[in-house]
Amino acid sequence: GAVVSQHPSRVICKSGTSVKIECRSLDFQATTMFWYRQFPKQSLMLMATSNEGSKATYEQGVEKDKFLINHASLTLSTLTVTSAHPEDSSFYICSALGPGQDNSPLHFGNGTRLTVT
Amino acid sequence: AQKVTQAQTEISVVEKEDVTLDCVYETRDTTYYLFWYKQPPSGELVFLIRRNSFDEQNEISGRYSWNFQKSTSSFNFTITASQVVDSAVYFCALSERSYNTDKLIFGTGTRLQVFP
Repeated sequence: GAVVSQHPSRVICKSGTSVKIECRSLDFQATTMFWYRQFPKQSLMLMATSNEGSKATYEQGVEKDKFLINHASLTLSTLTVTSAHPEDSSFYICSALGPGQDNSPLHFGNGTRLTVT
Repeated sequence: AQKVTQAQTEISVVEKEDVTLDCVYETRDTTYYLFWYKQPPSGELVFLIRRNSFDEQNEISGRYSWNFQKSTSSFNFTITASQVVDSAVYFCALSERSYNTDKLIFGTGTRLQVFP
């Protein structure tokens, strides 16, 4: 079945540095990718929606300059956390939707656990 | 506004007990989808079921069953004869159509612990 791969699975970085997280669709073309954030013991909150070749749409309260999203190809979207701070420590997980998959189960990556020290 | 409520934050059962996880949703849409996902300690989201708003038939898949009732806006999930491997956080979610694509609105999750 369709698979979404996310890399890295874990990352620890120092405060002030930037971290890039990749989300790849392995056997389908992902026209839309979603980025979610999950704080410990909390639910998943949508951060942004990206469509291939266009700017991402950010949810209210999400800083677009801090969380840079690039969806340059139909199989890859990246989330860059710029100038990370400890409060950005969270579990980031992406999901992908391909053409003809409207309302189909969104395929999720395995997530990236970010720890900012 | 779209909203998903999972009132049970944590449930503990002993192996072989049946357990029901509740999910209540709110939406103005007439066409929508409901989902259940399992999130084991490793963190990945495992898709369990999708149900569209026009299909109120209950579904059974092995030890899992789902009861969809539009009249009460509920989509409850029952695990029969629970096993330790069922221990996880379970999320109910509602699709929200936006800009011709769909994003998921998640409930707060129910942490299920199954003890041997």
